[in-house]
Amino acid sequence: SQTIHQWPATLVQPVGSPLSLECTVEGTSNPNLYWYRQAAGRGLQLLFYSVGIGQISSEVPQNLSASRPQDRQFILSSKKLLLSDSGFYLCAWSVGTSTDTQYFGPGTRLTVL
Amino acid sequence: DAKTTQPPSMDCAEGRAANLPCNHSTISGNEYVYWYRQIHSQGPQYIIHGLKNNETNEMASLIITEDRKSSTLILPHATLRDTAVYYCIVRGGGTSYGKLTFGQGTILTVHP
Repeated sequence: SQTIHQWPATLVQPVGSPLSLECTVEGTSNPNLYWYRQAAGRGLQLLFYSVGIGQISSEVPQNLSASRPQDRQFILSSKKLLLSDSGFYLCAWSVGTSTDTQYFGPGTRLTVL
Repeated sequence: DAKTTQPPSMDCAEGRAANLPCNHSTISGNEYVYWYRQIHSQGPQYIIHGLKNNETNEMASLIITEDRKSSTLILPHATLRDTAVYYCIVRGGGTSYGKLTFGQGTILTVHP
């Protein structure tokens, strides 16, 4: 069966510090991978998606970036965090077409102080 | 993707069926209805989806009206662990690859 991992689970970082969040998927090949952010009291915002190694599409321009160095690994990064980057970061995967079901990881709670 | 409307909150007694409604009057013919739920501080959990026929799995049933303008998610025997925010989403391929757009959802509270 497929599983998705995210780490760390929680993170507290100062403004201006770098960020690296990692997501890995097990039990499937060539998944579509997604990074979402959920701010407090707000809905889900798609940040990046990837349909293959090295292929990244950005939904919202911001100071975040994403990379996919391996088939089942998706990384979210920032060189300098802003207060507004605080939120709940979720990684998701799907296979097949764009309408296929997406399955979410446990999330990373990021607080920028 | 079509917009959905859900009641902000609902209550249900433990052991009873929970019926969560969703209106999606602007749904188009190739758009699916998806349901997810999110328990506090956890990632969203997929529940069920359908196009026009009613669907059932081990978690829930999805009833879609014949005109597809509304649907109901049914949890047949709600437990305390079903307390969560439930999101109804309508989506097709669209112009943004696979994007899920979550609204405010329905906060379901299951009482002992």
